[in-house]
Amino acid sequence: DVKVTQSSRYLVKRTGEKVFLECVQDMDHENMFWYRQDPGLGLRLIYFSYDVKMKEKGDIPEGYSVSREKKERFSLILESASTNQTSMYLCASSLGGQPTYEQYFGPGTRLTVT
Amino acid sequence: GQQVMQIPQYQHVQEGEDFTTYCNSSTTLSNIQWYKQRPGGHPVFLIQLVKSGEVKKQKRLTFQFGEAKKNSSLHITATQTTDVGTYFCAGSTGANNLFFGTGTRLTVIP
Repeated sequence: DVKVTQSSRYLVKRTGEKVFLECVQDMDHENMFWYRQDPGLGLRLIYFSYDVKMKEKGDIPEGYSVSREKKERFSLILESASTNQTSMYLCASSLGGQPTYEQYFGPGTRLTVT
Repeated sequence: GQQVMQIPQYQHVQEGEDFTTYCNSSTTLSNIQWYKQRPGGHPVFLIQLVKSGEVKKQKRLTFQFGEAKKNSSLHITATQTTDVGTYFCAGSTGANNLFFGTGTRLTVIP
């Protein structure tokens, strides 16, 4: 069964802290994605990766960085958390190539920055 | 940049009524996908449309892709309480990423 897991369901951090969100997929997918979901704004792409050590900026990369050292793992890093980064963070993975394959999502991490 | 607009943002229907959500893209899409997110859950893939004018059905759900490949719709016939959730369209221009619409949150009143 397809599986995408995220390190935490809920996380509370203080302003200025460095935050790591981890995502692991067991489907040998080439592509991995990080989104944030806010009410009324849908899913907005932060970063995606189409291969190990490769990354591309999405629509809202400011304040975030990512790391993909292994194919199955994609990390999102908030270098210095701010209150406007309070949100639901969703990781997803998909096969590579075209047409774009369906994305499989993890359960999400609800991050609160105080 | 790429935008996919989705309307309405919210829809409340009586159980048994029909429901439709619409997506419009500012650019021509290579394909469009639809996802459903149950309350408290994560988005789950429903279907993908690739061809111009394509229509696909899944039981009470009918998905359409416009002739110009710039718009799409999802129609649910005779809604049930199990249909509640947020429905997202997501368009692709051929690269490896998708552009998600803002979603339509469906509430079904028993």
